[in-house]
Amino acid sequence: DAGVTQSPTHLIKTRGQQVTLRCSPISGHKSVSWYQQVLGQGPQFIFQYYEKEERGRGNFPDRFSARQFPNYSSELNVNALLLGDSALYLCASSTDDRGHGNQPQHFGDGTRLSIL
Amino acid sequence: AQKITQTQPGMFVQEKEAVTLDCTYDTSDQSYGLFWYKQPSSGEMIFLIYQGSYDEQNATEGRYSLNFQKARKSANLVISASQLGDSAMYFCAMREAYNQGGKLIFGQGTELSVKP
Repeated sequence: DAGVTQSPTHLIKTRGQQVTLRCSPISGHKSVSWYQQVLGQGPQFIFQYYEKEERGRGNFPDRFSARQFPNYSSELNVNALLLGDSALYLCASSTDDRGHGNQPQHFGDGTRLSIL
Repeated sequence: AQKITQTQPGMFVQEKEAVTLDCTYDTSDQSYGLFWYKQPSSGEMIFLIYQGSYDEQNATEGRYSLNFQKARKSANLVISASQLGDSAMYFCAMREAYNQGGKLIFGQGTELSVKP
């Protein structure tokens, strides 16, 4: 079975540009979460979506937005890119929308975003 | 606020020996989940083991076990019979209470190096 897939794997942008990252969850998973991982740190939560509804939002500026589609895939958009947005962006999916039980989040390989 | 602390930035272990990676957490919630993930240099986050706050037994998954001491708020990962392929970053994470969207809070990570 396919795991969480993310595209693109690498991306180079310049300051002020906009970027869209894509994520396809594991088949049957309805919850998708996005994390930002800056070099040398642990991942930081950005958003969670479940059945197209936003269920959680981390401490990120409004330049960051996301959506989930009827097939449960998701996009993360970042506008007006800053140098500090350079990071590995991870998408995770799970069957669990509210954190009940022991269902882990399964992560994709991430998109490495570099801002010049 | 919930917080995860990993005090060991780097650890070395001899192949075939056991190693313990430390994790302490802070939360006022009664219901929470604790996870360990492995992140090789390639970037993907691999789920290793889960411990629920109400679980009375320590979790085990193959060579991985979790030493859960609730009163001390610690959830240390024990890797037995270390292998060269265990060299990676290891992250401890906590899932917030279910009404917070199930997001994960990660520690800073511990880089484990296994020596032949």
